[in-house]
Amino acid sequence: DIQMTQSPSTLSASLGDRVTITCRASQTINSWLAWYQQKPGKAPKLLIFDVSSLESGVPSRFSGSGSGTEFTLTIRSLQPDDFATYYCLQYNSYFGFGPGTKVDIK
Amino acid sequence: QVQLQESGPGLVKPSETLSLTCTVSGGSISNYYWSWVRQPAGKGLEWIGRVYTSGSTNYNPSLKSRVTMSVDTSNNQFSLKLSSVTAADTAVYYCARNIAGRGGYYFDYWGQGTLVTVDS
Repeated sequence: DIQMTQSPSTLSASLGDRVTITCRASQTINSWLAWYQQKPGKAPKLLIFDVSSLESGVPSRFSGSGSGTEFTLTIRSLQPDDFATYYCLQYNSYFGFGPGTKVDIK
Repeated sequence: QVQLQESGPGLVKPSETLSLTCTVSGGSISNYYWSWVRQPAGKGLEWIGRVYTSGSTNYNPSLKSRVTMSVDTSNNQFSLKLSSVTAADTAVYYCARNIAGRGGYYFDYWGQGTLVTVDS
């Protein structure tokens, strides 16, 4: 069973900030990692798949990187629409989500 | 544009069976994996299981003994049954499509979610 962790659990940031969220897996998951954004009362929205591939229509300020067991989601310049909770997902062995990182206004 | 819509009772009694259906529109249900994911209020996301359009299934080991999923390709629908429910099963239930990346399958399209409350 692959366990996923995320840090930080909450992140306070200002508009224009560069934001980095880290996701770690308890064992290697190859490149089978995705990132989702979720706003209150809404379904998760796919941002990144296969570690670093940007989903169609997602702004280029979002990027993903990493390998093996450690991965990051970076938002280059935080915009008002980016305040949300972010989840990583491993799909190497069935599916497992990280516990989430809430990005709120500083 | 593919759209998914969950439907089913919003209130289920303890020890009974939760039943939900997801209707897919804007595209064919065929040749994809389809999953259910749930989220208790204020908590994270948990994958419940997936069904392929052939009817083959994979379930989360933690729920496997209580989960049954099926697909109805003629109506572009797939379904979830979760038996012997307790208050711990109260959550928003999402249906989602699995799509293949370079190797694995991630979720691309999601339904809006439906709240199911377990209460007598």
